[in-house]
Amino acid sequence: GEDVEQSLFLSVREGDSSVINCTYTDSSSTYLYWYKQEPGAGLQLLTYIFSNMDMKQDQRLTVLLNKKDKHLSLRIADTQTGDSAIYFCAERKSGGYQKVTFGTGTKLQVIP
Amino acid sequence: SQTIHQWPATLVQPVGSPLSLECTVEGTSNPNLYWYRQAAGRGLQLLFYSVGIGQISSEVPQNLSASRPQDRQFILSSKKLLLSDSGFYLCAWSVPSGQKETQYFGPGTRLLVL
Repeated sequence: GEDVEQSLFLSVREGDSSVINCTYTDSSSTYLYWYKQEPGAGLQLLTYIFSNMDMKQDQRLTVLLNKKDKHLSLRIADTQTGDSAIYFCAERKSGGYQKVTFGTGTKLQVIP
Repeated sequence: SQTIHQWPATLVQPVGSPLSLECTVEGTSNPNLYWYRQAAGRGLQLLFYSVGIGQISSEVPQNLSASRPQDRQFILSSKKLLLSDSGFYLCAWSVPSGQKETQYFGPGTRLLVL
């Protein structure tokens, strides 16, 4: 995950919005993903955004992409205790084998 | 619908013992398959990927090997485990579809080497 950086921890109160940030280094990345990992489980794909888009909204989730700054964010509206998990940002690079590189993950703690 | 299975869910093995973790995918044909390792408190490291039966690519030099004896079966092995092999092993699959290809993960196997 050395090419994709995330803060390790985020704590929010139930009902507030959560914003999880991610920076990546490869400007040629084509797709960027957000995965959720609950304790002891595998990764669940939450959403993805194509690099020619600035924003994508899916119910409580909003993804913002700033290609100039290589910055990706995931906003969770009305955060619930069930949203507590580790969130991974990932980028798919273009050319050759399109390897997906994952960030180190951000642990979201929702306080009731 | 597609499903992915991994077993065992948890494994405790002594140093120097062999390892075999299995991953199978249902509901799709000719998937790309992946093995990742997640060390405690760290991100995912891609270990192996496969685009077809008998086709394995290794991303990092290591003590592990992978095999794909059938289209939807991916096996992670070791002849002699090291302490550093402890971690959470995740299998993933994707439908080969170019740039839009998205990976879907199994439930994982937690391996503790003592």
